[in-house]
Parts: sequence; C-alpha cells; structure tokens
Amino acid sequence: SYVLTQPPSLSVAPGQTATITCGGDNLGKKRVHWYQQKAGQAPVLVIYYDFDRPSGIPERFSGSNSGNTATLTISSVDAGDEADFYCQVWDTSRDHPVFGGGTKLTVL
Amino acid sequence: QLQLQESGPTLVKPSETLSLTCTVSGDSISTTSFYWGWIRQSPGKGLEWIGSLYYRGSASHFGGGSYYNPSLQSRVTISVDTSRNQFSLKVTSVSATDTAVYSCVRHSGDTLSNPFEVWGQGTMVTVSS
Repeated sequence: SYVLTQPPSLSVAPGQTATITCGGDNLGKKRVHWYQQKAGQAPVLVIYYDFDRPSGIPERFSGSNSGNTATLTISSVDAGDEADFYCQVWDTSRDHPVFGGGTKLTVL
Repeated sequence: QLQLQESGPTLVKPSETLSLTCTVSGDSISTTSFYWGWIRQSPGKGLEWIGSLYYRGSASHFGGGSYYNPSLQSRVTISVDTSRNQFSLKVTSVSATDTAVYSCVRHSGDTLSNPFEVWGQGTMVTVSS
C-alpha cells in the first residue's frame, strides 16, 4: 500500500516557523490532509486538500504539496502548538485512507 | 455542535469480539449526507483507519454502504442504528495487537475519500486475559 514518511520529531523555538514534511511517491498528485493531536486529546483537522483551512484554524497554519513532498507550515509557533502532526491521503490503489507515522513538534 | 462519543467495554479477552458504539449528537445519521467511521491508534503508534459507512435510506455506496481497511476486513463490521442515532463497530477474534484507542469519526462529506472532520475523544480498549 501507499507509504507516507514523516520525520519522527521536530523542535522549534517560540516565535519561529515549524516546517513539517510528509513524503510519498508522486505525492503532489494526491490531496493531503493534516491533523494535529495534542496530548490526551482527539486529532483535529488543520489542513485539508493540501492547503485549505477549516474554520477556526489560525492563518498561521498553511500547507503545500508538490513533487514527492507535502509540507505543513506553522508560523510564529508557541507552546500551545506542541502536538503530534499526521498527514493523510487516499490510497487509490487500495481504496482506503493512509496516515503518515506522525511528527512530534516540540516548542523549545 | 456535532459531538461523537464512544462507549463499550475497555477490556476484551483474546479471541473474543470487541464491540463499540458511537453516539452522535448535534446531527442526524439518517438525514445528512456524510460518511461515518472508526479509526484506531495503538499505544505509541500512529493512526489506522478501520472502516466507514454511509447511510442514506436504502441507497448503497461501494457495495452496500460500508467499506473497510483491507487488512482488517475479514474481522470487522460497522453498522448503524438510526433510531438511536448511533453506529457501531465489531472486531472479531481479537488479539493483543488490537489493543488501541478507538475513535469514531465523521468525514467532511459524502465521499469516502473526504478527510476526517470530526473526531470523538476515543476510548482505550485493552485485549488481555
């Protein structure tokens, strides 16, 4: 099945920009969704269809997708952004959704 | 505001059947056009889609309204009780590898490939004798 690869962890200083990547074969031809899961909470959809933001998600969250890599960018990070982030696509070869392994974002 | 709440046993013995229910409030499964599903997360691991269903009267989608992860398909059933506005998950012949947090979800629309827009809090189910 289709494999999505994410770095296990990322550390960013407060006020800086966090760039979380998600890699997959010809990923740019698929539509990528991103979820944020804070400790002890349910995941929240933060970006869908590569770059769209659900209502209530701050403009600091943005997404892009090209080639073999999709990127979730969080500008001006603060402690409240600490979470695990997962990318997700639809695997057309097996007709089911797949998730990346997740990236743990730590704000230093 | 839409809310999803999982309920069911938190401990299941190996080889038995895991059964969970998701109660939907703030929306109606029978009158709105969305896919509803289940996702699990094993301890220390990532997210795994279990399956989803679509209910729209007698309309059928993808061969009957339910669709499952191929790796779990032989053991999983998702069904709906519109009178209670609930949908349920059954996983048969469980083993320790089925120990996970199970969450019910609603997709963002009436297409199976739509993202997971709303999540329940999740319930931890442990498989152990």
